[in-house]
Amino acid sequence: EVQLLESGGGLVQPGGSLRLSCAASGFTFSTSAMSWVRQAPGKGLEWVSAISNSGGSTSYADSVKGRFTISRDNSKNTLYLQMSSLRAEDTAMYYCAKAVRVASRITYFDYWGQATLVTVSS
Amino acid sequence: QSALTQPPSASGSPGQSVTISCTGTSGDVGAYKYVSWYQHHPGKAPKLIIYEVSERPSGVPDRFSGSKSGNTASLTVSGLQAEDEADYYCCSYVGSNTLVFGGGTRLTVL
Repeated sequence: EVQLLESGGGLVQPGGSLRLSCAASGFTFSTSAMSWVRQAPGKGLEWVSAISNSGGSTSYADSVKGRFTISRDNSKNTLYLQMSSLRAEDTAMYYCAKAVRVASRITYFDYWGQATLVTVSS
Repeated sequence: QSALTQPPSASGSPGQSVTISCTGTSGDVGAYKYVSWYQHHPGKAPKLIIYEVSERPSGVPDRFSGSKSGNTASLTVSGLQAEDEADYYCCSYVGSNTLVFGGGTRLTVL
């Protein structure tokens, strides 16, 4: 059974930093692309970032580019999202998702975690 | 990376069919076959119900179907059941390994 367990969320002040983790199990993590998706309170889903299975290719939404960094440790079956220069508008539930690549394109998300809450507030 | 356009709400009675639209542009929905749909019950993890416009993952009932015409994709839920009441999101590949979601549609089963 595929399991994705996010952690690391919490309350942080504007301008601060936070690192989210996603522990994966039940599938071959090292051959799977991964992604982060968020949902602000009362809002819809927003794609945040994606990473290839090797970590050699990453992509970001314009809203987080230059502030967030996605990475992975295949030896630990863990995905990360380093968030810096956090803003109030980054407040959201952050979901880790297993992504499917077709012809080197990340095309959809076949499994999702339960999310971790990030609150940016003074 | 502008969000795809979905109606905020849709509804139908048990047994009826409902179609939810997802409108993008020639740069996203119209350009690729990589449109997916997700069912999201609040407080739970989103669930993939359609990928590559019209493909259903194993275990998803055939009451769920997807299609695309031009820059608009659609999700049809036939034979509505109470458990179909949820939020539904479309998602499209937009190039350079980036994706965009729709604003979401709250489906109510009357």
